[in-house]
Amino acid sequence: KAGVTQTPRYLIKTRGQQVTLSCSPISGHRSVSWYQQTPGQGLQFLFEYFSETQRNKGNFPGRFSGRQFSNSRSEMNVSTLELGDSALYLCASRRTSRSTDTQYFGPGTRLTVL
Amino acid sequence: DQQVKQNSPSLSVQEGRISILNCDYTNSMFDYFLWYKKYPAEGPTFLISISSIKDKNEDGRFTVFLNKSAKHLSLHIVPSQPGDSAVYFCAASAKESGSARQLTFGSGTQLTVLP
Repeated sequence: KAGVTQTPRYLIKTRGQQVTLSCSPISGHRSVSWYQQTPGQGLQFLFEYFSETQRNKGNFPGRFSGRQFSNSRSEMNVSTLELGDSALYLCASRRTSRSTDTQYFGPGTRLTVL
Repeated sequence: DQQVKQNSPSLSVQEGRISILNCDYTNSMFDYFLWYKKYPAEGPTFLISISSIKDKNEDGRFTVFLNKSAKHLSLHIVPSQPGDSAVYFCAASAKESGSARQLTFGSGTQLTVLP
């Protein structure tokens, strides 16, 4: 079974631009979560989608948004990029969102904002 | 407000010896705990989990211990191997009605196993 895939793997943008990241979950998984990882900060939860609905949201500004499609693929968008948005963005999938199902992570998208 | 804390940013251990990684939490509602391992340029990989109804869970060389009264959990790796060198993240979740079960991660501990 294929794992979680994320595209692109690396991205360089400048301040003020916007960016869209993509995540394809493991086949059969309907929940997709997004995390931001910065040095020394661990993984900060952004949001989770299940059946095309946002089920949970972390403490991030409204510049960070996401959506999920009917095939469970998810996209994350960041508008008006700031230097502090430079990070590794990780996507994780699991079968459902209301259980102790294990989350499986993709390799991440490394975003650099100049 | 860090609800999950890994106070040791790094740990070095000799090959063959035991590695003990520690994690503390503050939210008494957490009832499910996980450990993930992360290599550079890869996403975190699930290692082992434990429910709050247990105090120990074992899987091969990996054992997780949970001390609910102290709000502390630890991951033991025996024997440690050079391939275990990675960043280890502790994570916790709480069952919240009406919401998805979200994971809260610690900041990670870099384990280096010396040959």
